[in-house]
Amino acid sequence: NAGVTQTPKFQVLKTGQSMTLQCAQDMNHNSMYWYRQDPGMGLRLIYYSASEGTTDKGEVPNGYNVSRLNKREFSLRLESAAPSQTSVYFCASRGGHSPLHFGNGTRLTVT
Amino acid sequence: GENVGLHLPTLSVQEGDNSIINCAYSNSASDYFIWYKQESGKGPQFIIDIRSNMDKRQGQRVTVLLNKTVKHLSLQIAATQPGDSAVYFCAETSSGGYQKVTFGTGTKLQVIP
Repeated sequence: NAGVTQTPKFQVLKTGQSMTLQCAQDMNHNSMYWYRQDPGMGLRLIYYSASEGTTDKGEVPNGYNVSRLNKREFSLRLESAAPSQTSVYFCASRGGHSPLHFGNGTRLTVT
Repeated sequence: GENVGLHLPTLSVQEGDNSIINCAYSNSASDYFIWYKQESGKGPQFIIDIRSNMDKRQGQRVTVLLNKTVKHLSLQIAATQPGDSAVYFCAETSSGGYQKVTFGTGTKLQVIP
């Protein structure tokens, strides 16, 4: 039982490049989330998907897009990466009114 | 939302002592609260949760206390061990509408052997 799997684990981009962060969960959860975590700061919500087929903005959505491909997969895309997007990105999933389950993160550096 | 800075609050505790980590929340509508532990290089890991119809819940070596009057949550760790060293986050959510989960500023727990 893998839980929440994120790929890649590490990525370095140049300013202006694009990339997609992948996330998949095998717990049959309806809700999926993308958070970013910056040094010394808490988790900030970028986008979420309450159920398959729906996505909504969180606190810090600018510069990102998401796709809920199916119930298992929720991807985060950076169309034109900026140094301010250097961060650790966490995907999470949740089934109903229960705790979030997190992946181990993608560490992104934009130079 | 959170008011966070570059440096996490740090709690240093002697091995074997009890630890108490505190958290204030702001949303009166929140009715479900969770504590997470995050070790270096890993994602947050669920520790214990509590619903608003309770004021105390116990797990293995951990206890969560909820004071709705002052919107305060605490995590107590009994007989703290070196493996407890991590950053601890509280989170809140409400059952009304979408289940948005809001995280508080983390606290770094350092266990002194």
